[in-house]
Amino acid sequence: ETGVTQTPRHLVMGMTNKKSLKCEQHLGHNAMYWYKQSAKKPLELMFVYNFKEQTENNSVPSRFSPECPNSSHLFLHLHTLQPEDSALYLCASSQVATTSNSPLHFGNGTRLTVT
Amino acid sequence: AQTVTQSQPEMSVQEAETVTLSCTYDTSESDYYLFWYKQPPSRQMILVIRQEAYKQQNATENRFSVNFQKAAKSFSLKISDSQLGDAAMYFCARGGADGLTFGKGTHLIIQP
Repeated sequence: ETGVTQTPRHLVMGMTNKKSLKCEQHLGHNAMYWYKQSAKKPLELMFVYNFKEQTENNSVPSRFSPECPNSSHLFLHLHTLQPEDSALYLCASSQVATTSNSPLHFGNGTRLTVT
Repeated sequence: AQTVTQSQPEMSVQEAETVTLSCTYDTSESDYYLFWYKQPPSRQMILVIRQEAYKQQNATENRFSVNFQKAAKSFSLKISDSQLGDAAMYFCARGGADGLTFGKGTHLIIQP
């Protein structure tokens, strides 16, 4: 079992729907991240939580709303998305977010399709 | 913006041969880390190898090794004795005060 678990694995939603992505890490890490992976583009960092506090919001549109109730769980709430938001959404965790040497551990991602 | 560049969108290698994936990066920091991640069709990004910029010795991990040229800001990954299971997307990443910055990736094909 991977140390970082993401659900659902696939999601298809209409532009007026509201859905949530879930991420859970079993590694005892204190930092969690949301990344967006689109074809032929580098991974885009969306949000960072360090000890449950949001430390970075990388100019992400408000239709994406993160929630981090504790150090082990991270959610991404989605509403009124656009077709260009279709992508693979990856969750990751690391020991801490403030040091550059802390490697990330990733989940399997949620493949999101917005119709 | 500080960038990471992978100039090879796709590479192909015969099984058991050696292949080198290139990566260059931009940074104004003196202390940072470099990573190579592998993303197989299962989609999970897996850490392959990591290099500390203040260490001159190149990191090695079994069949995987790096050629780190700090002055040139170059960080290539060498895979020896390529295996079918090595087929994946490979991402170079730089860790700094602003977090992890990834390249666009190189798709590695292993030919049997």
